[in-house]
Amino acid sequence: KNQVEQSPQSLIILEGKNCTLQCNYTVSPFSNLRWYKQDTGRGPVSLTIMTFSENTKSNGRYTATLDADTKQSSLHITASQLSDSASYICVVSPYNNNDMRFGAGTRLTVKP
Amino acid sequence: DVKVTQSSRYLVKRTGEKVFLECVQDMDHENMFWYRQDPGLGLRLIYFSYDVKMKEKGDIPEGYSVSREKKERFSLILESASTNQTSMYLCASSLAPGSGNTIYFGEGSWLTVV
Repeated sequence: KNQVEQSPQSLIILEGKNCTLQCNYTVSPFSNLRWYKQDTGRGPVSLTIMTFSENTKSNGRYTATLDADTKQSSLHITASQLSDSASYICVVSPYNNNDMRFGAGTRLTVKP
Repeated sequence: DVKVTQSSRYLVKRTGEKVFLECVQDMDHENMFWYRQDPGLGLRLIYFSYDVKMKEKGDIPEGYSVSREKKERFSLILESASTNQTSMYLCASSLAPGSGNTIYFGEGSWLTVV
């Protein structure tokens, strides 16, 4: 069983709307949690990094939240744009970068 | 601008062929990684290297080997390609382990084994 579960698997929203993607993990002990954006056919690009002591981190219209007690994170996208269409991947590290655990990703489609 | 470059974006190889996937980073990073990405699955670590000539097996090393002769270059080798190795391969690099270090990914290499 994957130690990082993301939901939903896919999501379609209209341009300008907000959305929230979920990430639940069982990785323990926990060091940091990252969100990546991966455009189709491209490599993942970092959006946010949070350590266990951080509750929220923003990057423009992207805001990630973390609840280390319940082992849940969310990525909120505000005022979506067509260019937000991509897969969003949650990555959890127990100790260091060498032992990262990847979620399968949420595929977001933003329609005009 | 940071850069992880994978030399081959698309390859088609025959079963049994030896395949080399090359990755170069220009950020003087100690750590380099090779992952494969398949639909519906998270990225899975094949091998990583934390220094020149050093390597560690990841979750799925079977059928693969790696080479790191220089700090900036990390090669993935499929000794005898098989159809179940058809996948997208991603190279990544980062500074030495630390909770705040960003992982930088290449653009990916799409390998089809026929």
